[in-house]
Amino acid sequence: GQNIDQPTEMTATEGAIVQINCTYQTSGFNGLFWYQQHAGEAPTFLSYNVLDGLEEKGRFSSFLSRSKGYSYLLLKELQMKDSASYLCAVRGAYSGAGSYQLTFGKGTKLSVIP
Amino acid sequence: SAVISQKPSRDICQRGTSLTIQCQVDSQVTMMFWYRQQPGQSLTLIATANQGSEATYESGFVIDKFPISRPNLTFSTLTVSNMSPEDSSIYLCSGRWTGLEQFFGPGTRLTVL
Repeated sequence: GQNIDQPTEMTATEGAIVQINCTYQTSGFNGLFWYQQHAGEAPTFLSYNVLDGLEEKGRFSSFLSRSKGYSYLLLKELQMKDSASYLCAVRGAYSGAGSYQLTFGKGTKLSVIP
Repeated sequence: SAVISQKPSRDICQRGTSLTIQCQVDSQVTMMFWYRQQPGQSLTLIATANQGSEATYESGFVIDKFPISRPNLTFSTLTVSNMSPEDSSIYLCSGRWTGLEQFFGPGTRLTVL
């Protein structure tokens, strides 16, 4: 099975940097995803890591350590519009149903304050 | 990025009735999925929609309650049958193309009275 843990809520100041952590225990691993979800909207893809290390994309970076079952999402130069839930999702072992499936964590609600 | 649309965007239904949600993608996808997101919770996979054959359901979800169709590579439906208030949730369609990214539709917000 899959178990994914991330903090429930975080608060950070506009212009600052925030790091959202995610730990996982899975029976198989084929990549870790981060999604952003604004209230009442669908999740939107942010990043994907399958190898250890840091992936940078503009103000957003994501890090993965497979040996530790650990990832983080780093948001720099925070803006008010970054207030949203951030979902960590793990793609596990091949399911036999024709696909690798995503298992989502419960999400971290980030509030950016002035 | 791909475009996924869902209809209806929201509905309020009476207990015991059924609702069919439609999902349309703007290009052929490899895989289509249906998720549920209950209030304050994360996404839970209901099933993988298979083209031309029965969907593959996750533990806790059954075809009689959530029949799914996928007649072609760009369209799928999910029916929530014999609804109860516990079915009140957001239902999301998702598609994955040959790449790694998985995209989501805008969701259907269902309230069962």
